[in-house]
Amino acid sequence: QKEVEQDPGPLSVPEGAIVSLNCTYSNSAFQYFMWYRQYSRKGPELLMYTYSSGNKEDGRFTAQVDKSSKYISLFIRDSQPSDSATYLCAMTVGSNYKLTFGKGTLLTVNP
Amino acid sequence: EADIYQTPRYLVIGTGKKITLECSQTMGHDKMYWYQQDPGMELHLIHYSYGVNSTEKGDLSSESTVSRIRTEHFPLTLESARPSHTSQYLCASSATGAGDYGYTFGSGTRLTVV
Repeated sequence: QKEVEQDPGPLSVPEGAIVSLNCTYSNSAFQYFMWYRQYSRKGPELLMYTYSSGNKEDGRFTAQVDKSSKYISLFIRDSQPSDSATYLCAMTVGSNYKLTFGKGTLLTVNP
Repeated sequence: EADIYQTPRYLVIGTGKKITLECSQTMGHDKMYWYQQDPGMELHLIHYSYGVNSTEKGDLSSESTVSRIRTEHFPLTLESARPSHTSQYLCASSATGAGDYGYTFGSGTRLTVV
């Protein structure tokens, strides 16, 4: 079993839809959770960062962590064509440990 | 704007050639990483460094080598390129400190070996 599982999609939604992206993990020691966005032919860029369980909101994006279920989510409200990208979840035990990435979910928002 | 720079962005080279992919960061990060990513596929860690004169192999076996002589510079070298080395190579860096757990990635080098 991989430490981090992420459905690769692809996911296609109409503009304005609410998008839900998810990852599950098996290592209960993970404490820090991140979402990266990667446009085609670019490097990933950090989108959201959360520590511990709960929700964090930043504009149209909400990151949610449920450590009891080992499940994290990224919600995108009022999705735009410019949100079309691959979204990767990542997590780590702490600052002296490497990030473990999910495979990424390819999202297309259709105008 | 990215503070981590990779050159070249694109490289097409013949089999057997020696190549060096450059990666430099201006953030003073002590940790640096090289990932390999094929189109539509996941990131694979091939090398990392936690500081000057420190280098380690990553999770994916690679014929490439790296060096870390200066904090800001982490070049990757292939002594003899082969078509199987065709891929996108991403460099990243991170700091050590409270709250600094994210990586900053470069834009990548897309390597094609013919």
